[in-house]
Amino acid sequence: DAGVTQSPTHLIKTRGQQVTLRCSPKSGHDTVSWYQQALGQGPQFIFQYYEEEERQRGNFPDRFSGHQFPNYSSELNVNALLLGDSALYLCASSLFGTANQPQHFGDGTRLSIL
Amino acid sequence: GENVEQHPSTLSVQEGDSAVIKCTYSDSASNYFPWYKQELGKRPQLIIDIRSNVGEKKDQRIAVTLNKTAKHFSLHITETQPEDSAVYFCAATLGSSASKIIFGSGTRLSIRP
Repeated sequence: DAGVTQSPTHLIKTRGQQVTLRCSPKSGHDTVSWYQQALGQGPQFIFQYYEEEERQRGNFPDRFSGHQFPNYSSELNVNALLLGDSALYLCASSLFGTANQPQHFGDGTRLSIL
Repeated sequence: GENVEQHPSTLSVQEGDSAVIKCTYSDSASNYFPWYKQELGKRPQLIIDIRSNVGEKKDQRIAVTLNKTAKHFSLHITETQPEDSAVYFCAATLGSSASKIIFGSGTRLSIRP
């Protein structure tokens, strides 16, 4: 039973560039949430996708966007990268489009902005 | 506002002793409270969760208690072992529809041999 997988594991970009991160949910899960985790901090909720729609959003600018595909996998896109976007980006999958179901996290993508 | 406060930020206990981590939340409609353990360089892993209709839940050496009136919940680890060393995060859902989840800032737990 495959867990949550994310790609790539590491990424280095420069300011102003755009990046796309990918996530495949745990088998049987239909909901994907994205988080940003800065060093020494807790995960910060970016948004949640369910039924191919963005259902909830945290306090992140429109530079952060996403997509969910019919197979439940998801992408996170960040435009006009800033130095402050350097962080670990975590994807978590769960069920039923709510936050009150157990979430299973992937290993994350470490994004570094130069 | 939307907030989950977690204390302490660091905790060091002797192997075999108990550890307690406390969190408070601001949204009285919060109804789901998970705890995650994150070892260095690894993914957060769910270790225990509790829902608002329950006051306490236990799983072997780990227990969580919830006080809805005071809006706080705590993680208790008994008979601590070296492999319990990690960062622990509490979290709480927001709104009666549990629209999203907010994490605490984490507690770095170290177990002294």
